[in-house]
Amino acid sequence: GAVVSQHPSRVICKSGTSVKIECRSLDFQATTMFWYRQFPKQSLMLMATSNEGSKATYEQGVEKDKFLINHASLTLSTLTVTSAHPEDSSFYICSALARLNGYTFGSGTRLTVV
Amino acid sequence: DQQVKQNSPSLSVQEGRISILNCDYTNSMFDYFLWYKKYPAEGPTFLISISSIKDKNEDGRFTVFLNKSAKHLSLHIVPSQPGDSAVYFCAGSSGGSNYKLTFGKGTLLTVNP
Repeated sequence: GAVVSQHPSRVICKSGTSVKIECRSLDFQATTMFWYRQFPKQSLMLMATSNEGSKATYEQGVEKDKFLINHASLTLSTLTVTSAHPEDSSFYICSALARLNGYTFGSGTRLTVV
Repeated sequence: DQQVKQNSPSLSVQEGRISILNCDYTNSMFDYFLWYKKYPAEGPTFLISISSIKDKNEDGRFTVFLNKSAKHLSLHIVPSQPGDSAVYFCAGSSGGSNYKLTFGKGTLLTVNP
């Protein structure tokens, strides 16, 4: 079946630094990728939608200059949290959408900003 | 505005019995619904889906029922197994060019041996 690899699974960074999270579709080409954020006991909140080769579409309230998304190829999307602060600590999950495979989620990244 | 609501944060059932997880939605533009299962610190895994043109979809021990007039769907797991213990998310999609999913808050299912 379709597999999405997300790295790193856990990251701890200092306040003010930037962190990059990668999301790769391993055996299919993902026309669209999504980035979600989940707070404890809350639903997955869509942050942005990225289509290969074009700018990401951000949901209302999500700062595009803080959460940089790059979808440079049909198999790779990256989310960079810039100038991270403790309130950015969360669980980030990507999902990839392919025509025949539907949605497939990555395993998530636990970001802790100290 | 919470478009997908899972009003029960948790549910506990005995092994072998039926688990019924409920989901309500407010967006009448949703035409596709999905259920996902999620373990802690992992991404969601797809379980079962249903199109709005159907009222039931079955896959092994999992059955999803859709009541469009009530804007309600439910996931039935029978018989429940301890390995089913996880958080279950209901999601709706209105299709379109970006296929966004809107998730509920999830229900933690615990199946006791």
